[in-house]
Parts: sequence; structure tokens; C-alpha cells
Amino acid sequence: DAGVTQSPTHLIKTRGQQVTLRCSPKSGHDTVSWYQQALGQGPQFIFQYYEEEERQRGNFPDRFSGHQFPNYSSELNVNALLLGDSALYLCASSLPFGNTGELFFGEGSRLTVL
Amino acid sequence: AQTVTQSQPEMSVQEAETVTLSCTYDTSESDYYLFWYKQPPSRQMILVIRQEAYKQQNATENRFSVNFQKAAKSFSLKISDSQLGDAAMYFCAYTSYSGAGSYQLTFGKGTKLSVIP
Repeated sequence: DAGVTQSPTHLIKTRGQQVTLRCSPKSGHDTVSWYQQALGQGPQFIFQYYEEEERQRGNFPDRFSGHQFPNYSSELNVNALLLGDSALYLCASSLPFGNTGELFFGEGSRLTVL
Repeated sequence: AQTVTQSQPEMSVQEAETVTLSCTYDTSESDYYLFWYKQPPSRQMILVIRQEAYKQQNATENRFSVNFQKAAKSFSLKISDSQLGDAAMYFCAYTSYSGAGSYQLTFGKGTKLSVIP
């Protein structure tokens, strides 16, 4: 049973550039959430996708956008990168209903902005 | 807004001993879930244990147990018979139902647990 997979695992960008991170949910899951984890901090909720729509959003600027595809995979896009966007980006998948809030996480994509 | 506080940035424990990690939270909701997640150096968050707020009985998973004090809004994790593989960052997390099947987790800042051989 494949778990949550993310790509790339590491990447380096410069300020002002754009980045796309990718996520495939755990088999049988159709809801994908994205979290940002700065160094030494707990993860912070960015947004959640279900049925190809953004269902809920955390306190992140519009530079952060996403997409969910019909196969439930998802992308996180960040435009106009800032130094402060350097972080580990975690994707998590879950079931939408009858769910007790448990998330299954991928290993993350480590973004460094220079 | 819900908040989760972990007051111990770092803890250490001797192998085979018992350690307790602390967590407090703030919410106005009556129905919610609490979690402890483990994040080893490999980075993947792994669920350790889950507690439903409506259940009075404390959750237990093998060597891991919680002390859930709803009135005090406290949710501590006890690790018994600590093993070297328990060394990791531990995050306390909270969630409540946000509507339309939507949940989002609010995490604490984490506690780094070291296990001394």
C-alpha cells in the first residue's frame, strides 16, 4: 500500500522565482492538505483540497496556490519566492467523511530560497 | 483561534525509563480530537496516539499513553520503557470539525526527545 509521496525531496530557488511541489495521496484517500514547517517550528496549515476545489485555507498569502487533479494528486505553487518561504513543505492525505481528523503525511519537500 | 503549547523544547530519558511530554491547548469547542505525532530525522510525521475529547478514558497504544485532562485542557504523553528508536521530535496537535468533512490540524512547536543508551 503506497503511502503519501512527495516530489522533489529537496530544491533550491532564488528570491522572486516560482516553485511547484507535487503530492500523491495514500491509496484510497481523496483529500489533500498542505503544511509549511519552518525550521524548529511545528507545521502550519496552508490549505486543503477535496474534489478538485480548495475547501479550507490557512493564513497564507495569495502567492501560495494549489491544485488537485482528478486522480486526487495535488500541487502546491508558490510565486515570487521570499527568503521566509524556506521551509519543509508537508503534504498530508485523509478521508473526507467519517474521518476522525487523522492525517497521513509524506516525507516533505525541503525548499531553500537564496 | 485554537492554540497548542508545548512548554518543553527538549527532553531526555534513559533507555528503558519513562518520560512524560507536556501539552496544553486552548479551545472553545466541546468536541475535538487531540494527537501526538512523532517526526524522526527522516522527516515523515507518524501518528503516535489519538484522543477523542468526548471519551473520558485515556488512550493507550502499547508503550504510549496519554493523560487527558479536559477541564484543564491538558494532554500529556507518557512513553514507557523508552527505546533508542523513540528519539525524535514530538508534536502535539489539535483539530475540530470545520464543516463539509474538513479538518485542519493546529500543531505545537514540538519537543525534541533524546534517548540516552
